[in-house]
Amino acid sequence: SQTIHQWPATLVQPVGSPLSLECTVEGTSNPNLYWYRQAAGRGLQLLFYSVGIGQISSEVPQNLSASRPQDRQFILSSKKLLLSDSGFYLCAWSVNPHGYTFGSGTRLTVV
Amino acid sequence: ILNVEQSPQSLHVQEGDSTNFTCSFPSSNFYALHWYRWETAKSPEALFVMTLNGDEKKKGRISATLNTKEGYSYLYIKGSQPEDSATYLCALIGETSGSRLTFGEGTQLTVNP
Repeated sequence: SQTIHQWPATLVQPVGSPLSLECTVEGTSNPNLYWYRQAAGRGLQLLFYSVGIGQISSEVPQNLSASRPQDRQFILSSKKLLLSDSGFYLCAWSVNPHGYTFGSGTRLTVV
Repeated sequence: ILNVEQSPQSLHVQEGDSTNFTCSFPSSNFYALHWYRWETAKSPEALFVMTLNGDEKKKGRISATLNTKEGYSYLYIKGSQPEDSATYLCALIGETSGSRLTFGEGTQLTVNP
């Protein structure tokens, strides 16, 4: 079966610390992978998407970066977190425009 | 950048009430529209994927319609129940978006018993 794993579920990090959020997909090959974020009082915003290994596109300029070292692994990183990086981060995958599967999300609080 | 708008931002209804929300999008750049139900700290749950003008889809007490010519979709909930309380998101895939979803900010529904 097709599943998506995202961890951790919650994270509290100090300003200036690094960040690594990981997302892995099972049961499908060559998926499109996405990182979305919901900041406080805002909707879900696409941060990064990837159509293949090593291929990353960024939708908005920010303090974050993404990498796809393997076909079914998508990592969101930061070298130094800002307060404004707080939010709810969702990983998702799709193989066509009609079907998306989301992870369970990570609540990041930068203090 | 695609602009997807949802209204109202929040809604409080009594159990048994029927309700509806609106999602507006640019009619000139449409490929597909997704509706999701999202509870706090959970994965968004897919409700409908709509592609054709005039589409009407139904899932239990929830239904949706689509008008691509004028750029809107309605989501209806008949006989709301407390378990329907959630945020309802619509998301657009534009013709030039590939498979990327652009989300509205959602409508937060609270159903009081």
